[in-house]
Amino acid sequence: DQQVKQNSPSLSVQEGRISILNCDYTNSMFDYFLWYKKYPAEGPTFLISISSIKDKNEDGRFTVFLNKSAKHLSLHIVPSQPGDSAVYFCAASGTETSGSRLTFGEGTQLTVNP
Amino acid sequence: ETGVTQTPRHLVMGMTNKKSLKCEQHLGHNAMYWYKQSAKKPLELMFVYNFKEQTENNSVPSRFSPECPNSSHLFLHLHTLQPEDSALYLCASSLVSSPLHFGNGTRLTVT
Repeated sequence: DQQVKQNSPSLSVQEGRISILNCDYTNSMFDYFLWYKKYPAEGPTFLISISSIKDKNEDGRFTVFLNKSAKHLSLHIVPSQPGDSAVYFCAASGTETSGSRLTFGEGTQLTVNP
Repeated sequence: ETGVTQTPRHLVMGMTNKKSLKCEQHLGHNAMYWYKQSAKKPLELMFVYNFKEQTENNSVPSRFSPECPNSSHLFLHLHTLQPEDSALYLCASSLVSSPLHFGNGTRLTVT
């Protein structure tokens, strides 16, 4: 049973526009969420996280929104840049202290066109 | 330099071979992990070590055998693998409540 789902395997946007990547989860015990970015031939790198006590966390061009009632989170990238082209993974864990025991989604391939 | 180094980057092995994957972290972390990423699937947690002690084995077949001699080194010993074990094997490390830092992975092909 997939507890973290990213329903869009791919997304293509124009440079300068907003990229919105979505993630849904089913386990109500999850209360810490992370986004990772992965370039080809490299390991995933941590991008941004959010605790369930918040509904928004912003870091530069990246903002993560959490809707606990809908069990949904999204990553907004604005403005999008060609260097943002990568696979983005959503991940979740039970508590922030166990943020290392992560359940991952399948990933979304983002392509930002110049 | 990611701080987590995995060798080899690519490995091709037959089903009767024995090989080992190596991971080393230079970040002073106390926990290390093995993840598996198969095509079109999420990353799957395989093993977790905290302070060299295995704290999680996620129902991994015994043909995968982890070893953690110290907090900086982690191995995954492989023997009598199957073609469906072909995947990207990722090592990661962390402190107790910090995000994972991943290595660049070993691309394993079992023939």
